[in-house]
Amino acid sequence: GAGVSQTPSNKVTEKGKYVELRCDPISGHTALYWYRQSLGQGPEFLIYFQGTGAADDSGLPNDRFFAVRPEGSVSTLKIQRTERGDSAMYLCASGEGAGEKLFFGSGTQLSVL
Amino acid sequence: AQSVAQPEDQVNVAEGNPLTVKCTYSVSGNPYLFWYVQYPNRGLQFLLKYITGDNLVKGSYGFEAEFNKSQTSFHLKKPSALVSDSALYFCAVSGGTYKYIFGTGTRLKVLA
Repeated sequence: GAGVSQTPSNKVTEKGKYVELRCDPISGHTALYWYRQSLGQGPEFLIYFQGTGAADDSGLPNDRFFAVRPEGSVSTLKIQRTERGDSAMYLCASGEGAGEKLFFGSGTQLSVL
Repeated sequence: AQSVAQPEDQVNVAEGNPLTVKCTYSVSGNPYLFWYVQYPNRGLQFLLKYITGDNLVKGSYGFEAEFNKSQTSFHLKKPSALVSDSALYFCAVSGGTYKYIFGTGTRLKVLA
């Protein structure tokens, strides 16, 4: 596609439920990032993929969060046993490599009730 | 550790006046510096970047930024603000690696 696509755009769930957030990056981009943005804050790094492997997952807050990118393209961020504190905008970005500009999707607004 | 500071939560400027949005950074090694803009209900959009070379970088929509190594700053500027420039602006830094750290953002409000 022309840009980074994230689905769904909004997700409302109940505390304790499992959610999956999808990111479809720009074709050919090897680098893929997940960020989390809370109201009034800047994007907070979660995880970085180079190709299929998670090169750096140091930003994942705890083991309830997991992300995959099995074929080096689409990525899924998975959150188990959601908590109200997980409510935020989850942003995906892709790029051509280190030091290059990032292309962001419009994000998934997650609300945990 | 890398860090970015945007000291102003909001900047107000009259249309037609010059604008400056401030950013300072801390990074080991040579910095890669970026500015992004976020409009309501849209993702972040790249404006400009500094990697090396001329300290004054020109970007999209008439924006420019000046890299100042001694002051570790990378302020965003525009000679004449437009109402349509009103948005949330983020500065980001990378130490030449894949890891980009973003500031907390500055809301720019251009008044007609």
